[in-house]
Amino acid sequence: QQQVKQSPQSLIVQKGGISIINCAYENTAFDYFPWYQQFPGKGPALLIAIRPDVSEKKEGRFTISFNKSAKQFSLHIMDSQPGDSATYFCAARLTGANNLFFGTGTRLTVIP
Amino acid sequence: DSGVTQTPKHLITATGQRVTLRCSPRSGDLSVYWYQQSLDQGLQFLIQYYNGEERAKGNILERFSAQQFPDLHSELNLSSLELGDSALYFCASSVAQGDWGETQYFGPGTRLLVL
Repeated sequence: QQQVKQSPQSLIVQKGGISIINCAYENTAFDYFPWYQQFPGKGPALLIAIRPDVSEKKEGRFTISFNKSAKQFSLHIMDSQPGDSATYFCAARLTGANNLFFGTGTRLTVIP
Repeated sequence: DSGVTQTPKHLITATGQRVTLRCSPRSGDLSVYWYQQSLDQGLQFLIQYYNGEERAKGNILERFSAQQFPDLHSELNLSSLELGDSALYFCASSVAQGDWGETQYFGPGTRLLVL
């Protein structure tokens, strides 16, 4: 049973466009929602994270939008660049725990 | 570079065999996590150790075991290997960061192929 559902599975975006990846969860005991970026042959690396007490967090070209009532959150990559081509994972962590539940990943390809 | 090291990078073995994967956490990190990444299941949490003690268990098979040593490095032992155990195995270590709790830093992974 997948605790965090992620879509789409793959995404192709033109350079300069906006990439949007969506995640949904059911367990309201999640209190921390990070996004990880993974390049081929590498381990996942923390990109940006949000707590459910805020609706948006922005770091450079990366923004997380969080909708607590809908139990959904999304990653927006503005002005997408070919160097952003990677697999992106959303994740969630239960209150009082430290292990992460990951979504199934989105392979992003940014075309020059 | 996350500062987490894993060896070996690649491992090819046969069904029924036993292998050991090794992880060295970032300097100062007390927690080590093991994750399995397969094509159909994505990243699945296996087990966490904190300062030598088991802290949390996820979807870890009974054929798998782990330990964390006094120098904080960790080993994941996989035995009676099956074809389905072929996957990428990641180790992560963590540090507490204020209100955000622990941030996990992942190693480069060990790719296991069971033939």
